[in-house]
Amino acid sequence: GESVGLHLPTLSVQEGDNSIINCAYSNSASDYFIWYKQESGKGPQFIIDIRSNMDKRQGQRVTVLLNKTVKHLSLQIAATQPGDSAVYFCAENKGYGQNFVFGPGTRLSVLP
Amino acid sequence: GAVVSQHPSWVICKSGTSVKIECRSLDFQATTMFWYRQFPKQSLMLMATSNEGSKATYEQGVEKDKFLINHASLTLSTLTVTSAHPEDSSFYICSARPQTYGSQYFGPGTRLLVL
Repeated sequence: GESVGLHLPTLSVQEGDNSIINCAYSNSASDYFIWYKQESGKGPQFIIDIRSNMDKRQGQRVTVLLNKTVKHLSLQIAATQPGDSAVYFCAENKGYGQNFVFGPGTRLSVLP
Repeated sequence: GAVVSQHPSWVICKSGTSVKIECRSLDFQATTMFWYRQFPKQSLMLMATSNEGSKATYEQGVEKDKFLINHASLTLSTLTVTSAHPEDSSFYICSARPQTYGSQYFGPGTRLLVL
């Protein structure tokens, strides 16, 4: 595989607060990015995507920011809820026909 | 839309037996399907990429004779773990991509435990 996570960073937030999950991607040629949410024992679930010709995209309670200068991607979750507790992965794609490369993931824990 | 199923969801088998896992795209045709392996607290590791009607492309370090992939139709891919051993115990996840470029949609995963 192309991505191996040796550890899983954890972010703990209070219920109702906003969460920001960060991801540094590896390839400056990557032009398409996706954030996935994975709950325990389940497959990853698509949350939101963004192409490199954009720097911000909003969904329902989620916003993805892309900074191509420093190769940084972030996922913002507004008013975090207990159901948001999961591991979040960013994935980058280098272009047409290429495979996605996944980041190591971040575990989000929502505190009551 | 874009639902991917996997069967079985979990399997326990004896060492030396072979296990087949099915991956189906339920409401779209998948030009490409992917098989991943995930160990606890780690990210997804791509094992192989398969296109319908052609041989799978395996990632470096993945034994193609050990992990047989068949992509017989635009909605079905199978992964067979041959002569499974305890070290093959893992969470296997497939994904499917409806177009050559774009999002991948994941199945719910199959947990394999080899005794």
